[in-house]
Amino acid sequence: GQQVMQIPQYQHVQEGEDFTTYCNSSTTLSNIQWYKQRPGGHPVFLIQLVKSGEVKKQKRLTFQFGEAKKNSSLHITATQTTDVGTYFCAGPTGYKLSFGAGTTVTVRA
Amino acid sequence: GAGVSQSPRYKVTKRGQDVTLRCDPISSHATLYWYQQALGQGPEFLTYFNYEAQPDKSGLPSDRFSAERPEGSISTLTIQRTEQRDSAMYRCASSPTGTGGFYNEQFFGPGTRLTVL
Repeated sequence: GQQVMQIPQYQHVQEGEDFTTYCNSSTTLSNIQWYKQRPGGHPVFLIQLVKSGEVKKQKRLTFQFGEAKKNSSLHITATQTTDVGTYFCAGPTGYKLSFGAGTTVTVRA
Repeated sequence: GAGVSQSPRYKVTKRGQDVTLRCDPISSHATLYWYQQALGQGPEFLTYFNYEAQPDKSGLPSDRFSAERPEGSISTLTIQRTEQRDSAMYRCASSPTGTGGFYNEQFFGPGTRLTVL
C-alpha cells in the first residue's frame, strides 16, 4: 500500500535560521496535506496542495508539491519559537489519509 | 459543536477489560475517522464513516476492535479484551463532505490516551 516517508525525523534549529523538511510517497498522490501538532496537542491542518509543481506560502512557511506528485517539502524561514512542534504530511487513498511519521522541530533561542 | 470532542481524555484499564471511546464530531461533518497514534508517530488509520455507513475498516488491528456511528453523528470505538499493545492515543477526526471527500481537510479531536496495565 501507499507509504509516506518524512525526513528528517528531528530538526533542531537555531532561532532565526531557515530549514526544510521533506515528504516522499511510494505512489503518485492526487493531493498532499500538511498538519502541525504542537507538543501535547492534536494535528491541525495547515495546507493542501493539489497541482503538480504547486507552491503555496503562509507567511514564513512555503509548501511545494513535486512535479511528479510523489514528493513535497515544507520550508520555514526565520524560525521562531512558535514553530516548535511536529509537522506531518499526509497523502490520500480515497477517503483514507496515510500520514508520515513527522518531523519534530525544536528551536534554540 | 465548535470542534471535535472526545471522551474520556484518559483511560486506564486492566488487561482483558473492554473499553469504549467516544467521539463527537463537528455537527455539519458527514465523514468521521478513527486513528491510532503511537508516541513519536503519525496517526494510523483505523476506520472511517460516511454518515452511518462504514465503507472502510481495513485499519482495525483485530476483530477485538469495532466502531459504530448509528445515527451518523456521535461515534464510538470499542476495544474488547484489551491487551497492553493497545496502549496508545486514539484520535477522532471529522471532515466535511464535498464532491471529492478526499480533498477535504480533517479536523482532529484532542484524543483519548488509553493505557492498558
